[in-house]
Amino acid sequence: DGGITQSPKYLFRKEGQNVTLSCEQNLNHDAMYWYRQDPGQGLRLIYYSQIVNDFQKGDIAEGYSVSREKKESFPLTVTSAQKNPTAFYLCASRPTGPSNEQYFGPGTRLTVT
Amino acid sequence: AQKVTQAQTEISVVEKEDVTLDCVYETRDTTYYLFWYKQPPSGELVFLIRRNSFDEQNEISGRYSWNFQKSTSSFNFTITASQVVDSAVYFCALSVTGNQFYFGTGTSLTVIP
Repeated sequence: DGGITQSPKYLFRKEGQNVTLSCEQNLNHDAMYWYRQDPGQGLRLIYYSQIVNDFQKGDIAEGYSVSREKKESFPLTVTSAQKNPTAFYLCASRPTGPSNEQYFGPGTRLTVT
Repeated sequence: AQKVTQAQTEISVVEKEDVTLDCVYETRDTTYYLFWYKQPPSGELVFLIRRNSFDEQNEISGRYSWNFQKSTSSFNFTITASQVVDSAVYFCALSVTGNQFYFGTGTSLTVIP
């Protein structure tokens, strides 16, 4: 089945450690996105990529990094510089075209203690 | 700048009642796209509907209906005869170029049996 895979569903890390969240899609979509969701704040854009080997910062990129070496994959690294990393992280992809909707993965809940 | 406001943070209704979720958007662009997503407790956002700025026709899909009014910059969502399975967080989103989506903060709907 086509879709977006995020793994793992739950992730626990100690403060000061970098952690990489996986996002894979087999929908052949060009664009991919990372969002952070905190209670009561909706979805906030971290990074997005319109094409392989290119990506742009979103509204809250500080403390995060991404790569887009393959069309199917858009991993997100939460670095130790991110002051409040505990959150729910959602990955999305979208086919080319301004009217197309985003398709979302199941999300990863990251807890840093 | 683009902005989406969902003023209703939480709504509770008794099963079989009708409920309307409000969405107000801001943009200076004449071409834009509006979306509604549902986020059940599992966390994955599910696409419900898309509407472009040139199409003010209201839409009905089963128990769901959407009222798009450019004059008031609103794109409201009504659930008729609500069911427990409708309990979720609902997000309204705006896209201008398609590169970025601007999400509201979401409305948490609880349907009480």
